[in-house]
Amino acid sequence: DIQMTQSPSSLSASVGDRVTITCRASQGISNYLAWFQQKPGKAPKSLIYAASTLQSGVPSKFSGSGSGTDFTLTISSLQPEDFATYYCQQYNSYPFTFGPGTKVDIK
Amino acid sequence: EVQLVESGGGLVQPGGSLRLSCAASGFTFSDHYMAWVRQAPGKGLEWVGRTRNKANSYTTEYAASVKGRFTISRDDSKNSLYLQMNSLKTDDTAVYYCARGAKGIVGAITDYWGLGTLVTVSS
Repeated sequence: DIQMTQSPSSLSASVGDRVTITCRASQGISNYLAWFQQKPGKAPKSLIYAASTLQSGVPSKFSGSGSGTDFTLTISSLQPEDFATYYCQQYNSYPFTFGPGTKVDIK
Repeated sequence: EVQLVESGGGLVQPGGSLRLSCAASGFTFSDHYMAWVRQAPGKGLEWVGRTRNKANSYTTEYAASVKGRFTISRDDSKNSLYLQMNSLKTDDTAVYYCARGAKGIVGAITDYWGLGTLVTVSS
């Protein structure tokens, strides 16, 4: 199985900050990488697929990049509604696997 | 508006069985791959498995942790997805989410999620 890691596991940031989260796959997954946002007590929300393509309705402050084994999610200017846990997921091969998550909270 | 509504969760004893349902609306259900994802209390997301659409023979894939115990099925005439869970273990305690696979995207990755239903396996 492909193992996914994320760093950092948590971070504290202020409104307006630029935030970058890293996701790494244990083997190459081309660009078959998705990002999800989850707020406490809520269902996940899909943000990005194919490493860098925004899902419909997702604001452009979110961006993704990477290919192969190393990927990043960037939030250009953090807003109060962005405080959440972010997960990456590879869908290059079965079983699909998620990263452990990165919790973004308020500094 | 895409809606996915899970039901069927509850308390079950270890070794028991439970069947979850997901009622879909707001889109052509038969066109889409569908999946189940779970989240144990205080933990991260875990992919459970998926079913492909009719065009791809309704074939299924499963995580190793549930293979042989869980079965994913669908009834396109009822716009419904199911998860039959047998031989349940305490480790299966989680919120179970129904998830839609995006149409027309290579890999059919999840684009919409249901609200989830809680399954508790305990004696």
